[in-house]
Amino acid sequence: TQLLEQSPQFLSIQEGENLTVYCNSSSVFSSLQWYRQEPGEGPVLLVTVVTGGEVKKLKRLTFQFGDARKDSSLHITAAQPGDTGLYLCAGEMTTDSWGKLQFGAGTQVVVTP
Amino acid sequence: DTAVSQTPKYLVTQMGNDKSIKCEQNLGHDTMYWYKQDSKKFLKIMFSYNNKELIINETVPNRFSPKSPDKAHLNLHINSLELGDSAVYFCASSLGDSPLHFGNGTRLTVT
Repeated sequence: TQLLEQSPQFLSIQEGENLTVYCNSSSVFSSLQWYRQEPGEGPVLLVTVVTGGEVKKLKRLTFQFGDARKDSSLHITAAQPGDTGLYLCAGEMTTDSWGKLQFGAGTQVVVTP
Repeated sequence: DTAVSQTPKYLVTQMGNDKSIKCEQNLGHDTMYWYKQDSKKFLKIMFSYNNKELIINETVPNRFSPKSPDKAHLNLHINSLELGDSAVYFCASSLGDSPLHFGNGTRLTVT
């Protein structure tokens, strides 16, 4: 059973456009992480959010954790080809051991020049 | 300089064979993990070791046996390989509940 639903599954945009990826669940998470994975490589952590309502910015990337800690979003402003990759959200449930992350199925983002 | 390294990168083998994947981390982390990524890119945890002690053991067939000789190494042995075992296997490590650092994966193909 997949606890985290990501949408959309695939996103293709032109350089300079904005995009938003969503990560939703009916479960509450003690923390939520966003990773980016490129072909042939492992996921690389972008950010961790732990407080409901928290907003974190990483250059052109803005991450938001829902007030109820059940959902999150990733917004990229003025996307660049280097933003191309598979974006994964992963949550740690309050009832689980730390390190046991529940992953979403990912959103494949393609940014064309 | 690779922080979490896995070998081999690719593994092609026939059904019924036994194979091992090795993982080493040089980050000084105390917890190591094995995750499986299927063809739809869905990542699911299999095992976790903290200071050589098994702390997470998901519903994984008994054919999969992890071994941690020390804090820096976590190997995965798979017996009697099946077609459905084909996937990318990722090793990861962390220090306590800090974020995970993933290796670059081992693509296992069972024919």
